[in-house]
Amino acid sequence: AQKVTQAQTEISVVEKEDVTLDCVYETRDTTYYLFWYKQPPSGELVFLIRRNSFDEQNEISGRYSWNFQKSTSSFNFTITASQVVDSAVYFCALMDTGRRALTFGSGTRLQVQP
Amino acid sequence: GAGVSQSPRYKVAKRGQDVALRCDPISGHVSLFWYQQALGQGPEFLTYFQNEAQLDKSGLPSDRFFAERPEGSVSTLKIQRTQQEDSAVYLCASSLGRASNQPQHFGDGTRLSIL
Repeated sequence: AQKVTQAQTEISVVEKEDVTLDCVYETRDTTYYLFWYKQPPSGELVFLIRRNSFDEQNEISGRYSWNFQKSTSSFNFTITASQVVDSAVYFCALMDTGRRALTFGSGTRLQVQP
Repeated sequence: GAGVSQSPRYKVAKRGQDVALRCDPISGHVSLFWYQQALGQGPEFLTYFQNEAQLDKSGLPSDRFFAERPEGSVSTLKIQRTQQEDSAVYLCASSLGRASNQPQHFGDGTRLSIL
C-alpha cells in the first residue's frame, strides 16, 4: 500500500525566512511519481511540481526548490525568502504508474507572518 | 473557462436526501478524477474516468456513491441517502491525456454539509 507522511502539521515563520516542508513516502513500486500541491484559502489545489522516481536531480524554480532522496524516501520542499502570499496548506502526493489515483499526505499548513 | 469548474460551490442537505455534484473539466482533457477531502485532511481518491469509461472506482466508500461521465466531458457525482459522514469537500480534477505522469488540475470543490 502507498502512504505519504507529512509530519509537520503547521509551521509559522516570519516573512523572508526560509522554510522546509518535509514529505516521506512509502511504496512497493519501483516506478512512481511525486507531486507537490498548494491549497490557498480559496480551496483550489494548485499544482507545483512533478518528479518521477528515476530522476533524483534537485529542482529549483524561483524561490521554490525540491530535494528528492530515494534512499530515504523523502521529497522535501523549500521556500526561500518566504512571503505572506506563500501562506497556504501544502500537500505532497504519490502516484504509481499502474494507477492514476493520487495518494496525498495530510498536509502542512504554512503561515507566513509579515 | 480556463480551469476546472465545479457546482454548486456549497451544498447543504438533510440526512437521507440525494445530492448531485457537477464537474466541468478543462476543455479537451481526457481524464477526470473525483476526490473527497475531510476537514483538516488530504484529499482521498474516489473514482477515475478516461473519456466516458469509468476505469477505477475503488475509492467510492459505499454503493450510495455513484459517478458518471456519459459523453466524456461533464461528470456528475451522486450521493444517495446522504449521511452525516458524507460531509466533506468534493474535489474534481482533470488531466490532458492518459499518461500517468501528467499533472491533475483541480477545481475549487463543492463543500457538502449534511444536517
